Amino acid sequence: LAKTTQPISMDSYEGQEVNITCSHNNIATNDYITWYQQFPSQGPRFIIQGYKTKVTNEVASLFIPADRKSSTLSLPRVSLSDTAVYYCLVAHSGGYQKVTFGTGTKLQVIP
Amino acid sequence: NAGVTQTPKFQVLKTGQSMTLQCAQDMNHNSMYWYRQDPGMGLRLIYYSASEGTTDKGEVPNGYNVSRLNKREFSLRLESAAPSQTSVYFCASTRGGRNTIYFGEGSWLTVV
Repeated sequence: LAKTTQPISMDSYEGQEVNITCSHNNIATNDYITWYQQFPSQGPRFIIQGYKTKVTNEVASLFIPADRKSSTLSLPRVSLSDTAVYYCLVAHSGGYQKVTFGTGTKLQVIP
Repeated sequence: NAGVTQTPKFQVLKTGQSMTLQCAQDMNHNSMYWYRQDPGMGLRLIYYSASEGTTDKGEVPNGYNVSRLNKREFSLRLESAAPSQTSVYFCASTRGGRNTIYFGEGSWLTVV
């Protein structure tokens, strides 16, 4: 399982775009990149997943460069309700595996 | 669709007592996980069951045991609770691979 590295914390003002970058230098050919969001007192929930280039859904965008050694989660125009911990995971496309979450990035949105 | 169900939601134990946290999923998932999360910290993997009939240690297995009772159920047992095991415990499941991981609502455990 590829090891991931992401900033411990970030602050942002409401209405700004927030970009959280994750490094995964040892990513394998069949690995996918997935981001999860965790609000206080809740379990993490899926936000977005991608393999390469750009993926967008109603919540966020995920940018993955050609070498796939990093990825950037982009949250457009954040609000106070986006205050949460964001985790980056790398997982094989198939098989069953050990899944560790790491420390994640704590995003604090400021009014 | 209930998803991942954990019981109990809250529990207070005395040091040395034992207890079992129950987890069940109704999504026919192959893999199940137990994590703990201390205040202000990330999730740490205790044990996991990649598929029915198998269990393996995670990052912090000491003081815990698990049982994959069947494909639906994965329980976590504290044989002799210690104050250091005060934490929030999350059970999770997934079909496997890159599929979405679903979490339960958490179990708040305090050991006094």
